[in-house]
Amino acid sequence: EPEVTQTPSHQVTQMGQEVILRCVPISNHLYFYWYRQILGQKVEFLVSFYNNEISEKSEIFDDQFSVERPDGSNFTLKIRSTKLEDSAMYFCASKTASGSYEQYFGPGTRLTVT
Amino acid sequence: GQNIDQPTEMTATEGAIVQINCTYQTSGFNGLFWYQQHAGEAPTFLSYNVLDGLEEKGRFSSFLSRSKGYSYLLLKELQMKDSASYLCAVNKDNYGQNFVFGPGTRLSVLP
Repeated sequence: EPEVTQTPSHQVTQMGQEVILRCVPISNHLYFYWYRQILGQKVEFLVSFYNNEISEKSEIFDDQFSVERPDGSNFTLKIRSTKLEDSAMYFCASKTASGSYEQYFGPGTRLTVT
Repeated sequence: GQNIDQPTEMTATEGAIVQINCTYQTSGFNGLFWYQQHAGEAPTFLSYNVLDGLEEKGRFSSFLSRSKGYSYLLLKELQMKDSASYLCAVNKDNYGQNFVFGPGTRLSVLP
C-alpha cells in the first residue's frame, strides 16, 4: 500500500542552524501539508501546498519557514534559523484530488533544537 | 479566536461503546475530521463530516451538528487496540484548507 515517507526520522540541530525536513508524498497525490506537534501538545497546521504554491498557511508559518517541491516527488520544509521552541514532531501529509478529504500522514520527523 | 474542546481522558471497557465529544468555535467551517493517534505515531484518518447527521464506518460513527458547533465520535465493540488519542479537527477555511486541531482525548480501553 502506498505511503507517505519522511526523512530523517530524528534530526538534532543547534539553535540558529538551518534544517530541511524531507517528505515523499504518495505519488498520485496533489495536495501536500505540513503539521507540527510539540511533545504532549496538540497537532498544529503549518501550511498547505497545491499546484506548486502555498494555498494556506497558519500564523505559525512565519518568514522562518518555507516549503518547496524541488522535483516531482519530494516536498520539503525548511526552517532558516531554528529556535528552541521549534523542537517538535513534524508531520507531512498528502491527499489526492480536491473531492477527496482523507489526508495520509507520514511517520514524522522529530526535530530537537539544542 | 479558534477553539476546539474535547475531554482530556476517557476510560472504557473492552466490548463496550464509548462516545467522545467535541465542541468547536471557529471563524469558518468547511468540515470536521476525526483522527486516531497512537502514542508516538502519526494521526490516521477516521471520519469526515461536512453536513449535519451521522456518518457510519464499521465500528466507528461520527455525528455533526453545525448549528450547535458539536460533533461526537462513537466507537462500538471496543478493542484493546482502540486505546489511543482521538483528535477532532476543523477546516476553518470556507474555501481552502486551514485546519485547527483539538487537544485530543486519550482513551484507555481496559480488559
